[in-house]
Amino acid sequence: DTGVSQDPRHKITKRGQNVTFRCDPISEHNRLYWYRQTLGQGPEFLTYFQNEAQLEKSRLLSDRFSAERPKGSFSTLEIQRTEQGDSAMYLCASSRYGELFFGEGSRLTVL
Amino acid sequence: KNEVEQSPQNLTAQEGEFITINCSYSVGISALHWLQQHPGGGIVSLFMLSSGKKKHGRLIATINIQEKHSSLHITASHPRDSAVYICAVAMYSGGGADGLTFGKGTHLIIQP
Repeated sequence: DTGVSQDPRHKITKRGQNVTFRCDPISEHNRLYWYRQTLGQGPEFLTYFQNEAQLEKSRLLSDRFSAERPKGSFSTLEIQRTEQGDSAMYLCASSRYGELFFGEGSRLTVL
Repeated sequence: KNEVEQSPQNLTAQEGEFITINCSYSVGISALHWLQQHPGGGIVSLFMLSSGKKKHGRLIATINIQEKHSSLHITASHPRDSAVYICAVAMYSGGGADGLTFGKGTHLIIQP
């Protein structure tokens, strides 16, 4: 499968714990995006990488959130000290010439 | 106020009907995307438009840059078209690709 893959698909954690999500984009795609989607809403932009450089961060990305793409390939999104409000689907997408290809998402449930 | 507005929010139609979903936006954009999301989360890109019209199978997407409006049409609708259709715009920043701003989606149900 050469699509965008995300791991884990579902994470249940207790409030205050740290969680990390991984995204493996399509191999030749230089752009990688993270989005968050809550039930009944459209996705919201979190952050964007071009190669290994993080070029843009939404104000939604609080200090508890950090994203990396160390070698310009896979990316990780870490949430520290999770809160119940962090419960959402975290979507990753990659692109090369503008068209976006999405992963299946990582659903986070914070108890 | 959301910068991307979709209508209708919900649409139920009979198989075979012609479907139109509308998207209006309030700022200058470099591109507009139509996306399809099925239950469970997976999102598929249907179209990326910066002008004019595109067609793929039974799907047609149009955009009017002056009026800041786009439409997604489905001809000969089928129950498998049932999904959430999301409009998303890339704001024009002049500095490269921005993250998209999404509409809330249109929940389409096609009944047999």
